[in-house]
Amino acid sequence: AQSVTQLDSQVPVFEEAPVELRCNYSSSVSVYLFWYVQYPNQGLQLLLKYLSGSTLVKGINGFEAEFNKSQTSFHLRKPSVHISDTAEYFCAGIQGGSEKLVFGKGTKLTVNP
Amino acid sequence: GAVVSQHPSWVICKSGTSVKIECRSLDFQATTMFWYRQFPKQSLMLMATSNEGSKATYEQGVEKDKFLINHASLTLSTLTVTSAHPEDSSFYICSANPPGTTYEQYFGPGTRLTVT
Repeated sequence: AQSVTQLDSQVPVFEEAPVELRCNYSSSVSVYLFWYVQYPNQGLQLLLKYLSGSTLVKGINGFEAEFNKSQTSFHLRKPSVHISDTAEYFCAGIQGGSEKLVFGKGTKLTVNP
Repeated sequence: GAVVSQHPSWVICKSGTSVKIECRSLDFQATTMFWYRQFPKQSLMLMATSNEGSKATYEQGVEKDKFLINHASLTLSTLTVTSAHPEDSSFYICSANPPGTTYEQYFGPGTRLTVT
């Protein structure tokens, strides 16, 4: 069963518009949650993480995410996107009882001029 | 800090040959490294967990005799694809946890393998 679900495979948006990339996690994943970004032909770069504490997490490049336990969600948001934000975004969580990262299938964000 | 490198960044090999991919943690020591495989337009699939000084732990369905992993030191893990076939063509990415971080994995830039 999918432990981390990214609901949108592709999200097109215009430059300077706000964006939300959705992520839900299941009970098989601990509440250590991450968002990574991948540019073409590159590895993954950590955007932000939630381990504990404040449910609103701020990351690099103006991104933020909110951990919502009741909705088992960890959606990623940015109030105003740039062309350079065009990339693949992966939500991930730590598999319960291990150090292994479980990834969602990814969301391709395309920012159009 | 927390830089992970991979070499080579891309490699083309003939079917039946073996190819070695290196993963290095440049500014920290890593007792554990992870190897992933990524098919085009798909997510990352964990292949194995590489443990310094001991055998790697392979995920279900991954052939340990085909994908040989050696974690020779605290800064180097290698993945050798033996007797490569075209279906082994993929993007291979490694990652590592720096000490003092909680489950935070830092990823290498990946290695594009093409088997002809």
